[in-house]
Amino acid sequence: KAGVTQTPRYLIKTRGQQVTLSCSPISGHRSVSWYQQTPGQGLQFLFEYFSETQRNKGNFPGRFSGRQFSNSRSEMNVSTLELGDSALYLCASSLGTGAFRELFFGEGSRLTVL
Amino acid sequence: DAKTTQPPSMDCAEGRAANLPCNHSTISGNEYVYWYRQIHSQGPQYIIHGLKNNETNEMASLIITEDRKSSTLILPHATLRDTAVYYCIVRVKITGGGNKLTFGTGTQLKVEL
Repeated sequence: KAGVTQTPRYLIKTRGQQVTLSCSPISGHRSVSWYQQTPGQGLQFLFEYFSETQRNKGNFPGRFSGRQFSNSRSEMNVSTLELGDSALYLCASSLGTGAFRELFFGEGSRLTVL
Repeated sequence: DAKTTQPPSMDCAEGRAANLPCNHSTISGNEYVYWYRQIHSQGPQYIIHGLKNNETNEMASLIITEDRKSSTLILPHATLRDTAVYYCIVRVKITGGGNKLTFGTGTQLKVEL
């Protein structure tokens, strides 16, 4: 069974640009959540999608957005990139958002903003 | 979700048991304790979770004190591959409540020969 796939794995952007990251969940998983990991702030929740609807949102500015498609694949977008957006962006999938569901994380997309 | 406190780092000899403590003194009756670990440059990996009874699976054991204010994750026979940051997370189990996890700073476990 394939795991959570994130693309691209590494990317470099400059300030002011925008970036789109993609996440393909484990087959059959309908919930996708996104996290940002930085050395200073650790792992922080960005948002979660289930059945194409955003269910939860973390404390990030509106420059951070996401969406989920009918096949459960998800994308997140960061516009007007800032140096502080350099981070490892992790996607996690699970069967649902009901009773506790184990989260399966991908290996992440490492974004560097110059 | 209740706040957790973990030691920043711990060392363990290979083959010995690694006991990782977590303090969650403000935990509520409907909050669960979860453990994840993150091996360098990989995404976090679920280990185990529990409410008030001790739990065991193929990876680890979770011991929760009777007052539920603290817990210990036990890796019975640590190997070099267990070197990772271990996160103790407390969250409310709500049907439909979503999968938002609040990660703390975790414990860096180093397993050495």
